[in-house]
Amino acid sequence: EPEVTQTPSHQVTQMGQEVILRCVPISNHLYFYWYRQILGQKVEFLVSFYNNEISEKSEIFDDQFSVERPDGSNFTLKIRSTKLEDSAMYFCASAERGGGRSEAFFGQGTRLTVV
Amino acid sequence: AQSVTQLGSHVSVSEGALVLLRCNYSSSVPPYLFWYVQYPNQGLQLLLKYTTGATLVKGINGFEAEFKKSETSFHLTKPSAHMSDAAEYFCAVSDINSFGNEKLTFGTGTRLTIIP
Repeated sequence: EPEVTQTPSHQVTQMGQEVILRCVPISNHLYFYWYRQILGQKVEFLVSFYNNEISEKSEIFDDQFSVERPDGSNFTLKIRSTKLEDSAMYFCASAERGGGRSEAFFGQGTRLTVV
Repeated sequence: AQSVTQLGSHVSVSEGALVLLRCNYSSSVPPYLFWYVQYPNQGLQLLLKYTTGATLVKGINGFEAEFKKSETSFHLTKPSAHMSDAAEYFCAVSDINSFGNEKLTFGTGTRLTIIP
């Protein structure tokens, strides 16, 4: 069964360092998302991406964050200069169609720890 | 803005007993509502989804949920709990933008424990 794959599963980084979280969405999907979950808190929307551009972003997704689909298969989330409060589980998701017509499939997540 | 409230961050039921996980939502438009399950060290998996039509929605693993507009609720139930149901459950409501992207707003989650 096709699945969304995220790497690495766990990343530890020093405050101020750049990190790139990688996702391989399901191959025929066109809509892409990043969510995060700070330990003990709810899953929060970060950004949605369609047709090679951001279609919506949350207040959390400030200038330190960026997304890219560099090669038609990977979908990356970059945090330019990590802060302690960026420590969270980051989930990538993809959907085949928009408008609520298909299910969003989630990856297993990357646990980011900023020290 | 959409919001979701899940009552009870932890619920424990005995194996074979009824499972009831509560979810109330706030939405300015007719909502799309979801229940997701997260097993340990895994991603979020869709259990069921309500869009339009029949208000009782059946999902995977014997779960179902009923959309009650008058109560703004979408509670998740299962008649008989199984040990394998132990997981974190998230209720969510969606908002679709002009590009067709479906943004999910999640509740805080309910951890379900099954007592043997």
